[in-house]
Amino acid sequence: GAVVSQHPSWVICKSGTSVKIECRSLDFQATTMFWYRQFPKQSLMLMATSNEGSKATYEQGVEKDKFLINHASLTLSTLTVTSAHPEDSSFYICSARKGFPSYEQYFGPGTRLTVT
Amino acid sequence: AQTVTQSQPEMSVQEAETVTLSCTYDTSENNYYLFWYKQPPSRQMILVIRQEAYKQQNATENRFSVNFQKAAKSFSLKISDSQLGDTAMYFCAFMKHGWGTGGTSYGKLTFGQGTILTVHP
Repeated sequence: GAVVSQHPSWVICKSGTSVKIECRSLDFQATTMFWYRQFPKQSLMLMATSNEGSKATYEQGVEKDKFLINHASLTLSTLTVTSAHPEDSSFYICSARKGFPSYEQYFGPGTRLTVT
Repeated sequence: AQTVTQSQPEMSVQEAETVTLSCTYDTSENNYYLFWYKQPPSRQMILVIRQEAYKQQNATENRFSVNFQKAAKSFSLKISDSQLGDTAMYFCAFMKHGWGTGGTSYGKLTFGQGTILTVHP
């Protein structure tokens, strides 16, 4: 199978601090990873597309300086929420896409961020 | 841009019965993929079924089948013999066909609003 992990699964941080979330593809190389945000009982909203070795592409309305994405290797992408505020509290999900010609995305279990 | 619409915020069904979840989409693309994902209370996204737009035959996976109407841009999910473990939020999703990186839209999933399905014993 294709397994994607996220760490941590739940994090609580104080307002004004930064928090990093890791997304790893455990048994395959992922040239592309995606980061989503989800509020309770709502749909997934794509935040950015992360490609290994290049800058992330952010969706309209997503602050790139606030949500820093780094895809340093074919198995790891990180999302750093900088200067977090309570409104950043949400569920963050990553997905990873295998290399050509696969089109499937494999989702991580998600990270619950609570900013106090 | 693509849009995906799920008009049923919540649905319920009795165990062992059949339920159909609706999904419509709008796109100018001719080649694309459609998916149904399940998100149980654990919030892990699970792929239920997928359909390639160029295939006329409706996809089936055990108790799950779709009714894909390309001209009408409709993609409904039928769950037969519903089980308690089917209780989850279901998302319909669209993905443009093809391969690309960087700033392209390839591989990006566009999700519908979701339908919360509750299976009652």
